[in-house]
Amino acid sequence: ETGVTQSPTHLIKTRGQQVTLRCSSQSGHNTVSWYQQALGQGPQFIFQYYREEENGRGNFPPRFSGLQFPNYSSELNVNALELDDSALYLCASSLDGIEAFFGQGTRLTVV
Amino acid sequence: EDQVTQSPEALRLQEGESSSLNCSYTVSGLRGLFWYRQDPGKGPEFLFTLYSAGEEKEKERLKATLTKKESFLHITAPKPEDSATYLCAVQGGNEKLTFGTGTRLTIIP
Repeated sequence: ETGVTQSPTHLIKTRGQQVTLRCSSQSGHNTVSWYQQALGQGPQFIFQYYREEENGRGNFPPRFSGLQFPNYSSELNVNALELDDSALYLCASSLDGIEAFFGQGTRLTVV
Repeated sequence: EDQVTQSPEALRLQEGESSSLNCSYTVSGLRGLFWYRQDPGKGPEFLFTLYSAGEEKEKERLKATLTKKESFLHITAPKPEDSATYLCAVQGGNEKLTFGTGTRLTIIP
């Protein structure tokens, strides 16, 4: 089991609401990436944070935003939720962006 | 844009029947190719990183190999507990991981 922990594990939200997902990275890791995984698909890159700065972003709209804190933990915020945002959200931590280890994910359901 | 294609989409094997999973890729400036195992509803579990063509790595019944265009995950004498989805990902110059859609492996006792 990795040292990456995510909370909550499951979440149900209503369309139009906002959600915050949290990730605690593995000890010694300074890079956190977030991925969205729809059912039956591979994870899709949302963005990456390195030492509290965003240093890469995938094809996701601005309503997906994030933060990384001085202890390298991270948050993913999604505004104006849509039904298609229902997915497994994965956080991965690494040292300098190499060999990412994933948490168990947060299952978000938008109704 | 980096691309990863995995085949087959699904594979059913009898216990003890060896086989291989394929991962074809295109990437700008390969930093690494990664194999993960994912159980239903869980996060991907790291298996291997391969950095250059010709490299091989082994772990228990699994062996990963890499060429300039593809990687193979060989599974020898699989057991039912090896049933999972196996994901391949590449990391290019922009550092993000690009994943394939995975191979769903089922080992029948």
